[in-house]
Amino acid sequence: DIQMTQSPSTLSASVGDRVTITCRASQSINNWLAWYQQKPGKAPNLLIYKASNLESGVPSRFSGSGSGTEFTLTISSLQPDDFATYYCQHYDTPSQTFGQGTKVEVK
Amino acid sequence: EVQLAESGGGLVHPGGSLRLSCAASGFTFSFYWMSWVRQTPGKGLEWVASIGEEGGEKYYVESVKGRFTISRDNTKNSLSLQVRSLRAEDTAMYYCARGPPKNYGPFDSWGLGTLVIVSS
Repeated sequence: DIQMTQSPSTLSASVGDRVTITCRASQSINNWLAWYQQKPGKAPNLLIYKASNLESGVPSRFSGSGSGTEFTLTISSLQPDDFATYYCQHYDTPSQTFGQGTKVEVK
Repeated sequence: EVQLAESGGGLVHPGGSLRLSCAASGFTFSFYWMSWVRQTPGKGLEWVASIGEEGGEKYYVESVKGRFTISRDNTKNSLSLQVRSLRAEDTAMYYCARGPPKNYGPFDSWGLGTLVIVSS
C-alpha cells in the first residue's frame, strides 16, 4: 500500500502568516491527491483535489501544488477560521490512504 | 443539499457484530461511488471500504478484509457496512462519505458519523 507522510505534525502560527504543509507519498501517485480540513467534533471538509484544484466554495487563500511524490498545501494568509487539522489523501488506487494529519495551532 | 446520515453504531463486545447504515439524500445516489472512513478517538483518518456506483466493485483496507462487508441499495439511497468479529482496534467514529461519480476518488461530502465502541 502507498504510505502518506505529512510534515510537520503540529504547526504553530499566527493570523496573517503564510502556512505550508507537506505531504510525501511512498511512490508516485500521479497527482491523485486531496487535502481536507477537519475541526474538532466535525467531519472533514474537502479543500483541494487532484493536487491543485480548489473545491467549490473553498477560499482562494488555500492552494495546492506538487506532483509525483511530494505535495504542499499552502494557506497564503492564515485566518482565525483556519486553525484546524489538515489531512492529505491519495486516491491513485482504490486503497486510498490518508496522511497522519497536521494540526495548525495558535502561536 | 447533499445529506448523509449514519446510524447503527453503539457499544459491542469483542467478537460482536453491527450493521452501520447511511441514508443519502439531495443527489442521485446511484451515480456516485460511496465509502466508509473511520477515525479513532483523537487520532487520524483511515479509509475502510469503497463501493462502486452499481455495487459491483468493492474495496477494503487490509485490516478489515473478511470481517467487514460494504453494500448499497440504490432503490433506497442507502449504504451499509456489516461489521463482524469486532476488535478493540475497530473502536472509532465511522463516517459515510461520497466519492466522485463513476470512479473512486476524493470525498466531497461526509456524514456526521456513527460511533462504534468495542469493549468488554
